Amino acid sequence: DGGITQSPKYLFRKEGQNVTLSCEQNLNHDAMYWYRQDPGQGLRLIYYSQIVNDFQKGDIAEGYSVSREKKESFPLTVTSAQKNPTAFYLCASTSYTGEPTGELFFGEGSRLTVL
Amino acid sequence: AQTVTQSQPEMSVQEAETVTLSCTYDTSENNYYLFWYKQPPSRQMILVIRQEAYKQQNATENRFSVNFQKAAKSFSLKISDSQLGDTAMYFCAFSGYGGSQGNLIFGKGTKLSVKP
Repeated sequence: DGGITQSPKYLFRKEGQNVTLSCEQNLNHDAMYWYRQDPGQGLRLIYYSQIVNDFQKGDIAEGYSVSREKKESFPLTVTSAQKNPTAFYLCASTSYTGEPTGELFFGEGSRLTVL
Repeated sequence: AQTVTQSQPEMSVQEAETVTLSCTYDTSENNYYLFWYKQPPSRQMILVIRQEAYKQQNATENRFSVNFQKAAKSFSLKISDSQLGDTAMYFCAFSGYGGSQGNLIFGKGTKLSVKP
């Protein structure tokens, strides 16, 4: 089945460590996104990529980095510079082929806890 | 900048009854998309319904319908015949056209509880 796979589902990290969250999609979608979700805050955009080897900062990019070396993959690294990294992270994708719908398809999320 | 506001942090409804969730937004664009997403306890975000701003007809999907008032910048979601499985967080979201398509701006969500 086509979809978006995020791993790991749960991750614990010590302060000062970098951690990378994986996001893979087999939907042949063009664009991929990373959102952060905090209680009572809705979802906020971290980074997005509309094409391979290119990506753009979202509203809260500080302390995060991404890469887009393959169309299917968009990993997110949470660096030690991120002051409050404990959150739920959602990866999403969308297609620019055919009639545009604007709809995002989401993965199941990764829960990061900093100890 | 666009903003999305959901003024009801929590709501509850009895099973089989109807409930309406409110959403207002602010934008200077004329063409855009509006969405309602559902996030059940499993945390998977699921699209409930989508509306394109240039379409005057309100979108419907089975028990879910919207009341889209473009001039008032209002986009409410009505759930009819509520079911226990409708218990979830509901997020209203806005997306522009073209290059900003997919860059969704979300409201803070409404937690809906359906009671038996």
